[in-house]
Amino acid sequence: AAGVIQSPRHLIKEKRETATLKCYPIPRHDTVYWYQQGPGQDPQFLISFYEKMQSDKGSIPDRFSAQQFSDYHSELNMSSLELGDSALYFCATSTEGHTEAFFGQGTRLTVV
Amino acid sequence: EDQVTQSPEALRLQEGESSSLNCSYTVSGLRGLFWYRQDPGKGPEFLFTLYSAGEEKEKERLKATLTKKESFLHITAPKPEDSATYLCAVQAGSVNRDDKIIFGKGTRLHILP
Repeated sequence: AAGVIQSPRHLIKEKRETATLKCYPIPRHDTVYWYQQGPGQDPQFLISFYEKMQSDKGSIPDRFSAQQFSDYHSELNMSSLELGDSALYFCATSTEGHTEAFFGQGTRLTVV
Repeated sequence: EDQVTQSPEALRLQEGESSSLNCSYTVSGLRGLFWYRQDPGKGPEFLFTLYSAGEEKEKERLKATLTKKESFLHITAPKPEDSATYLCAVQAGSVNRDDKIIFGKGTRLHILP
């Protein structure tokens, strides 16, 4: 069965650079959530989209932005990267009924 | 403020030793409570969704239950491959369509052979 696809799986960037993370949902899933997970931490909610509109916002820095496109994939854009941005970034997708939210395998971002 | 608290933080069991993990929550209108399993460096793997008090769901050696204040994940006769971090998450409802799913800090479960 198709799962949530995230790319790239690993990314190394230098401080002050920009990164773009991509999330491709399960077919017919119209809701996307983005999470940041530091080492040994629980996933922290960043932002979510429903039907290409932002639906909720969590602890997302102003340096980050995201959008959901017409094919429902989503991109998280991160600018002026800081060392503290190093983490695993997950997206999860679900349908409007929210019966199940499935996660991708994540993108490991390392800022050096 | 919506909050999810899991206990214990870590649990070591012998193979075959049954136990329960706890997830207590305070939310403004529960839309759903989720249990996930997460292995190191991987994305959370969906296990269960519970919607209302009294609901129970089972999958292999795992059984999840829900009350108005907490959920339990019971693990029966665990095996070493059940070792993982188990995350509880809740989705709260509101008229403003509060969509975020809030996670607890997880329980690190280690099953000794």
